[in-house]
Amino acid sequence: AQTVTQSQPEMSVQEAETVTLSCTYDTSESDYYLFWYKQPPSRQMILVIRQEAYKQQNATENRFSVNFQKAAKSFSLKISDSQLGDAAMYFCAYRRIGGATNKLIFGTGTLLAVQP
Amino acid sequence: DTGVSQDPRHKITKRGQNVTFRCDPISEHNRLYWYRQTLGQGPEFLTYFQNEAQLEKSRLLSDRFSAERPKGSFSTLEIQRTEQGDSAMYLCASSPGRMPPQYFGPGTRLLVL
Repeated sequence: AQTVTQSQPEMSVQEAETVTLSCTYDTSESDYYLFWYKQPPSRQMILVIRQEAYKQQNATENRFSVNFQKAAKSFSLKISDSQLGDAAMYFCAYRRIGGATNKLIFGTGTLLAVQP
Repeated sequence: DTGVSQDPRHKITKRGQNVTFRCDPISEHNRLYWYRQTLGQGPEFLTYFQNEAQLEKSRLLSDRFSAERPKGSFSTLEIQRTEQGDSAMYLCASSPGRMPPQYFGPGTRLLVL
C-alpha cells in the first residue's frame, strides 16, 4: 500500500524568507502524481502545486517550487518570499495513475506559521 | 463555476442520531470523492463516484455509512446511529475525469455529543 509521510508537524518562517517542507512517500508504482495542498484555518483545501512522476523537471508555481527526487521517494515544497497569507496546514498527497479511483493519499500535514 | 459546495458547514448531533450531508460538485465534473479528516490528520478516502456509480468504498466506511449520487450530480453522505468517533470534518472533492486535480469543498464539520 502507498503511504505518505510528513515528518515536520510544525514549521515557522519569517516573512520574506524561504522555507522548505519535507515529504516522503512509499510506492511500488512507477507512474503517479504528487501534490501539495494548502488548508488555511477554517477554509477549504486548495491545490498549491503538482508533479507528474514521469517528468524529471521540478514543477514551479510562482513562489512555490518542488524538489522531486524519484529514486529517494522525496517530494519537498519550497516557499520563497514567504507571506503572511502562506500560513496554513500543508498536506503532501499521492495519487497513482490508472486504477479505478485515483483517490488521494495524504500525509499528516505540516502547520506553517509565518512570523511578521 | 462556483466551486464545490457542501451543506451544512457545521453539524452538532447527539449520539445515536442520523445525519445527512450534501455535496454539490463543480458542474460537469463526473468524479466525486468523499474524505474524512480528523483533528491533526490528513484526509482519508471514504468513497468515490463516477457519474452515479459508486465504484469504491474504503474499509473506513462502515455499514452505518451510506453515500449516493443520484443522476450523477450532487451527492449525499448519511451516517446512521452516529457515534462519538464519527466526529470529524467530512470533505467532498470533484474532478473532471481521470486527470487531476481534485477540487475540494469547504467541508462539513460534525460533532457527535
